[in-house]
Amino acid sequence: DSGVTQTPKHLITATGQRVTLRCSPRSGDLSVYWYQQSLDQGLQFLIQYYNGEERAKGNILERFSAQQFPDLHSELNLSSLELGDSALYFCASSSPNEPGGRYGYTFGSGTRLTVV
Amino acid sequence: AQTVTQSQPEMSVQEAETVTLSCTYDTSENNYYLFWYKQPPSRQMILVIRQEAYKQQNATENRFSVNFQKAAKSFSLKISDSQLGDTAMYFCAFMKQETSGSRLTFGEGTQLTVNP
Repeated sequence: DSGVTQTPKHLITATGQRVTLRCSPRSGDLSVYWYQQSLDQGLQFLIQYYNGEERAKGNILERFSAQQFPDLHSELNLSSLELGDSALYFCASSSPNEPGGRYGYTFGSGTRLTVV
Repeated sequence: AQTVTQSQPEMSVQEAETVTLSCTYDTSENNYYLFWYKQPPSRQMILVIRQEAYKQQNATENRFSVNFQKAAKSFSLKISDSQLGDTAMYFCAFMKQETSGSRLTFGEGTQLTVNP
């Protein structure tokens, strides 16, 4: 157990639907990052939150949104789902005591989203 | 923007032998961190080794070591005494040094297969 919890582990939904992926960061970590990994591809950065505030945006579609709550857990909302949104969605966290995250991130085990 | 390139989509090695995975990156930053992550069939992202750019000494973690050439912007991973459990996708990643946390930029990955 890495300490980063992602739920659900698997999600199957139909095109056009909306889903919410949840992430609880490792205790003490203030930064949360969301990544998308499509089949047999690398990890694409979506968005970063730091202590409740959006800090950086990557290749995140307008149909996607995220937020980080006061208890530091984060949710990634995906709407108007398309077949191409099927992917593994990772959440990761890093600690403010490790400037620049020099020990790397701690990743959750991911949520496997299948859009049918 | 930083880019990370892994030019070997697939590699294979015999058990107990040594293999080197290549990675190059492009950045104008002077202070940064480099990482190798392993993603086995379970899809969990596991940190293998990290390197701080300001350190000239190459990082080593048991059977894993890196050859960091800052001027050449090269960061290769050497796996000695390869084991069947090393079979995985390996991702090279770059991170700028920022106190509030910084995104990891990943390469496309190298699929390593260790053969018995």
